[in-house]
Amino acid sequence: AQKVTQAQTEISVVEKEDVTLDCVYETRDTTYYLFWYKQPPSGELVFLIRRNSFDEQNEISGRYSWNFQKSTSSFNFTITASQVVDSAVYFCALRGSWAAGNKLTFGGGTRVLVKP
Amino acid sequence: DAMVIQNPRYQVTQFGKPVTLSCSQTLNHNVMYWYQQKSSQAPKLLFHYYDKDFNNEADTPDNFQSRRPNTSFCFLDIRSPGLGDAAMYLCATSRPWASGDPDTQYFGPGTRLTVL
Repeated sequence: AQKVTQAQTEISVVEKEDVTLDCVYETRDTTYYLFWYKQPPSGELVFLIRRNSFDEQNEISGRYSWNFQKSTSSFNFTITASQVVDSAVYFCALRGSWAAGNKLTFGGGTRVLVKP
Repeated sequence: DAMVIQNPRYQVTQFGKPVTLSCSQTLNHNVMYWYQQKSSQAPKLLFHYYDKDFNNEADTPDNFQSRRPNTSFCFLDIRSPGLGDAAMYLCATSRPWASGDPDTQYFGPGTRLTVL
């Protein structure tokens, strides 16, 4: 069985502060994919990043960065110099092998509130 | 721009009155998904189509049906909506396994269903 845990249900920061969202996953698959999605108040789930289990390189995209550590089954997400527009719910998700079925397992989400 | 479109964005129906939600995509993706997302929860997969091959999740109620008349369109039918079916319904698409990006799901803006 697959499981994704986002222990932080809500984080509140002041604009320009950095914020790190934790994601811990469980899977028995050796090949799997991890994702982060952003869901602003409008409701649409916006794809941010995909990482496969063989690629442990960290990634930076503008103010966003991701730290994948297979040894601790974690895929954490950091927003640097947060802005009000970053206020949203962020979901971490896991997709296992094709044989396991074409299904995303989502974490419970972390609501980020950035105050001006 | 290629995208996933959902209509309507907001739908109000009466208890027990059938309702159909629509999803279309210009991405030419083979796989289409329907998710239900209740307030403050993660999206929950209802079913998905791989081309015309329908895959129902084991815990999806019979009250929920789907149709995919062609590659571009997919419909969610709720035969007798109950108060518990009030939720955001998200449509997503992805490319098939053989392509270079088989696992990333791209979501539409969602339809928020209210049941009176």
